[in-house]
Amino acid sequence: GENVEQHPSTLSVQEGDSAVIKCTYSDSASNYFPWYKQELGKGPQLIIDIRSNVGEKKDQRIAVTLNKTAKHFSLHITETQPEDSAVYFCAASQGNQFYFGTGTSLTVIP
Amino acid sequence: DAGVIQSPRHEVTEMGQEVTLRCKPISGHDYLFWYRQTMMRGLELLIYFNNNVPIDDSGMPEDRFSAKMPNASFSTLKIQPSEPRDSAVYFCASSSRSNQPQHFGDGTRLSIL
Repeated sequence: GENVEQHPSTLSVQEGDSAVIKCTYSDSASNYFPWYKQELGKGPQLIIDIRSNVGEKKDQRIAVTLNKTAKHFSLHITETQPEDSAVYFCAASQGNQFYFGTGTSLTVIP
Repeated sequence: DAGVIQSPRHEVTEMGQEVTLRCKPISGHDYLFWYRQTMMRGLELLIYFNNNVPIDDSGMPEDRFSAKMPNASFSTLKIQPSEPRDSAVYFCASSSRSNQPQHFGDGTRLSIL
């Protein structure tokens, strides 16, 4: 089956700086890569996703890049704000089942 | 549109008791997923349904766990008998089609004493 690895597990940045979270996947058949943000006491919420026919996607301060050859994808958050502090999960899918990374706890220091 | 609704939000019960978790998916979504989240194992898929039919239950840890979806707007996850190691946050998610975003509820935090 698919194996998704996510790094780093924790990340602290100063407010206004950028944050980058990286994931790798093992199954070249995976073709859909969503990113979720989970705040304390809440369920994961989709923040951005990308499909394998696209190399990059951007939504305001959030962007995701995908390198199919290397089988890795990354989340980029620019101009970080305290409300970006949360746990972020990547996932890979080729059908019905999502395979999640182990999460990155992001802390934005005011 | 209302999101995925789970109940109860918190459940504390004693070992050996039956526990029932409930989920209402987003209207019109054909897929429903049950996940368990722990610090040690992260997010684990337990079972998922398509059009009310269980498709893959290979993630269900033991026979003590069972899930049903009697109609398109309701699903239950039952643990009988419950054990302390079942303590976790259980999430329900739904999606409109295969390989589409899954929308999560806010989970049930289960504590088995």
